[in-house]
Amino acid sequence: QKEVEQNSGPLSVPEGAIASLNCTYSDRGSQSFFWYRQYSGKSPELIMFIYSNGDKEDGRFTAQLNKASQYVSLLIRDSRPSDSATYLCAEAVSYNTDKLIFGTGTRLQVFP
Amino acid sequence: DTGVSQDPRHKITKRGQNVTFRCDPISEHNRLYWYRQTLGQGPEFLTYFQNEAQLEKSRLLSDRFSAERPKGSFSTLEIQRTEQGDSAMYLCASSSGPSGLLYFGPGTRLLVL
Repeated sequence: QKEVEQNSGPLSVPEGAIASLNCTYSDRGSQSFFWYRQYSGKSPELIMFIYSNGDKEDGRFTAQLNKASQYVSLLIRDSRPSDSATYLCAEAVSYNTDKLIFGTGTRLQVFP
Repeated sequence: DTGVSQDPRHKITKRGQNVTFRCDPISEHNRLYWYRQTLGQGPEFLTYFQNEAQLEKSRLLSDRFSAERPKGSFSTLEIQRTEQGDSAMYLCASSSGPSGLLYFGPGTRLLVL
């Protein structure tokens, strides 16, 4: 049974700092990972995906995947109050599928 | 290119009533998913379609729940004899799958009194 685990938070960081969000997964064979942002009362919004070991950067966001240690991270540089949201980590159930299993999410608070 | 749309956005019903939700996926996407999310939890998979075929249903989906996608375009999710435990956000997502990226609609928030 695949599982994705996240610390529920909240993670509080000052504006301008780097926010680091972490996620661990149970299945060593998992290959595809996704980060969604969810504002309170809204639906999840895809912000990053990563398939290969290492880092993937997109603007202020960097996703990191370490398959040996079975964790995925999302770094948000230059954090802004508008980044305050819940960040959901998800993994694909198997290779070549788009069915996702989600963690419970980490709530991020960026204070001015 | 419009995103995934869902209707209604909010639904309040009394226990025992039936409710139906509609989802319109992104037009070129052939895969459509239904998820449910309760407060403080991540989205939980319910069922998915490839075109008009329902390929998988979660074991968590009781027989009070039924979903259809009759022409491979929009989908409906019906809950019969609603219970208070059905109160949740019902999320629809679509992808060009497999290995496509999953995009969510705005969700339908259901409250069962």
